[in-house]
Amino acid sequence: GQNIDQPTEMTATEGAIVQINCTYQTSGFNGLFWYQQHAGEAPTFLSYNVLDGLEEKGRFSSFLSRSKGYSYLLLKELQMKDSASYLCAVVDSNYQLIWGAGTKLIIKP
Amino acid sequence: DAGVIQSPRHEVTEMGQEVTLRCKPISGHNSLFWYRQTMMRGLELLIYFNNNVPIDDSGMPEDRFSAKMPNASFSTLKIQPSEPRDSAVYFCASSLTTSGGAYNEQFFGPGTRLTVL
Repeated sequence: GQNIDQPTEMTATEGAIVQINCTYQTSGFNGLFWYQQHAGEAPTFLSYNVLDGLEEKGRFSSFLSRSKGYSYLLLKELQMKDSASYLCAVVDSNYQLIWGAGTKLIIKP
Repeated sequence: DAGVIQSPRHEVTEMGQEVTLRCKPISGHNSLFWYRQTMMRGLELLIYFNNNVPIDDSGMPEDRFSAKMPNASFSTLKIQPSEPRDSAVYFCASSLTTSGGAYNEQFFGPGTRLTVL
């Protein structure tokens, strides 16, 4: 079967750094997405990784290791507005997008 | 660009009634996705269209659900008859899928919050 695992909830402090992990077992791999979803809103695109390594985009970075079936999203200089759910999604060999359940990130002052 | 447009934003109906959700994708996008999101099950793909043709409807829960895309700028998701367990937020998303099969980001609409009493 296809499976994506993310922690259900994480808590971090404003100004700090947090890493949200995602592990996956899918039939093939054609890329991994991270989306951000604020409560009551639609998911919005954060990053896409298809090759191993780190992709940096401002305060957010995303890392991928295909051999380990592992990715993480790194958020630096946390702000209160970063409180949201973060969804990991993998494109399998049939170009189907498999979604994780999401990680709810709570930022405390 | 106006982004993906969905209507209605909120729908409250009674069990047994027909519900029709509407979506207008971003102009120029050739792929359209219908999702359902609940606290229990997270985000679930219901159906995926490419160039107005349904490609994968394996996520459609049962025959009560149907989706159409009569043209590149409009799609509907219909539930008939509706049941309380259909209560969820339904998202429509669109993307541009290239001929090489590269998977591009999906742009989500604001969603329709459906409550079936």
